[in-house]
Amino acid sequence: LAKTTQPISMDSYEGQEVNITCSHNNIATNDYITWYQQFPSQGPRFIIQGYKTKVTNEVASLFIPADRKSSTLSLPRVSLSDTAVYYCLVGALYNQGGKLIFGQGTELSVKP
Amino acid sequence: NAGVTQTPKFQVLKTGQSMTLQCAQDMNHEYMSWYRQDPGMGLRLIHYSVGAGITDQGEVPNGYNVSRSTTEDFPLRLLSAAPSQTSVYFCASTTGPPTYEQYFGPGTRLTVT
Repeated sequence: LAKTTQPISMDSYEGQEVNITCSHNNIATNDYITWYQQFPSQGPRFIIQGYKTKVTNEVASLFIPADRKSSTLSLPRVSLSDTAVYYCLVGALYNQGGKLIFGQGTELSVKP
Repeated sequence: NAGVTQTPKFQVLKTGQSMTLQCAQDMNHEYMSWYRQDPGMGLRLIHYSVGAGITDQGEVPNGYNVSRSTTEDFPLRLLSAAPSQTSVYFCASTTGPPTYEQYFGPGTRLTVT
């Protein structure tokens, strides 16, 4: 089971780039790395997913070093609406007996 | 395409009562899951299913039952509600391997008094 560690909280200002790093030292060979965003009173929403190197979509970028023991979610030019909790998940949910665990997540607060 | 729907949105139960939380998806995903989220906490997996007729326990299964008679529906039953089950419940529908991308419903906020 790949355990993940993220900072509990981060603060930023509008227009800045935010990088949230997740450590996952015991990631397995076939594990993907997935990030979710959750607003209060809503279910988590998929942001981005990657296996290695760099992935970019219209919302974020995901950087994964060669050893895959960590990953960094990059949010360019954040706005107030990016204030949310961000979760990093690693693994193949059902291959691991359904024990995939959401951690505490990183609470991002964007200030004007 | 509604995605994942959950009913009800809110529910108040008395201790000892039973109820069923409904979850449906229209994405033809084989994999579905139930999570609970307590205030200030991450999500904890209750039960999951890898296809119709197949279910298994997650991290916190006690006090809950599930069944999966169709691909679309995955109801969660609380057998005898307890105040410790006061939480927000999320259902998720998941794509298959290798990516297992999860799509979450809007949640059911349950209070047990």
